[in-house]
Amino acid sequence: GESVGLHLPTLSVQEGDNSIINCAYSNSASDYFIWYKQESGKGPQFIIDIRSNMDKRQGQRVTVLLNKTVKHLSLQIAATQPGDSAVYFCAENNAGNMLTFGGGTRLMVKP
Amino acid sequence: EAGVTQFPSHSVIEKGQTVTLRCDPISGHDNLYWYRRVMGKEIKFLLHFVKESKQDESGMPNNRFLAERTGGTYSTLKVQPAELEDSGVYFCASSQGLAGVYNEQFFGPGTRLTVL
Repeated sequence: GESVGLHLPTLSVQEGDNSIINCAYSNSASDYFIWYKQESGKGPQFIIDIRSNMDKRQGQRVTVLLNKTVKHLSLQIAATQPGDSAVYFCAENNAGNMLTFGGGTRLMVKP
Repeated sequence: EAGVTQFPSHSVIEKGQTVTLRCDPISGHDNLYWYRRVMGKEIKFLLHFVKESKQDESGMPNNRFLAERTGGTYSTLKVQPAELEDSGVYFCASSQGLAGVYNEQFFGPGTRLTVL
């Protein structure tokens, strides 16, 4: 896969445990936030999104929480599985199209 | 339906040479974006096409980079001459819908560029 020498913070969890990945965003005017998952050799893949008028959104095994006061976003993955091992990026959007990405977190799931 | 494709998957060139990356968006997607992640940094926006027109090229680092989307289908990103700091992974993404309204962007697998 591609890491480009990027030293990412790493979260290591046991299979079946819950994972929480955090992200701080920069622009208080951002109105749309997305979590992406990137597996080795692939591009970022959409997981879940949330608009700024919400503070929580749930998907299948994933939940995104948004705290606009402190400009913080989190991704919760329930019952983490080996297939969840990947790099996770948050991204913010405030101009209709351009995405601004966070630095990424590597999730490693131990069987 | 085919996703976003990029070619080549990996390119190794020497400093001063020219490289051209290609992106084929999802059929029917008017919006096409280029992003890149260089050594130790996060993924950063380069530019956005709506059909064949450049909507936003504010992220292009300098005039060594030239992006085109003739005919509004596939796009190319040329780096000439390449420098060491251009090494990284170049992603293309596409989306449908109107400019100014966010629509999900679908990413290609990226082209890893190594400049020696």
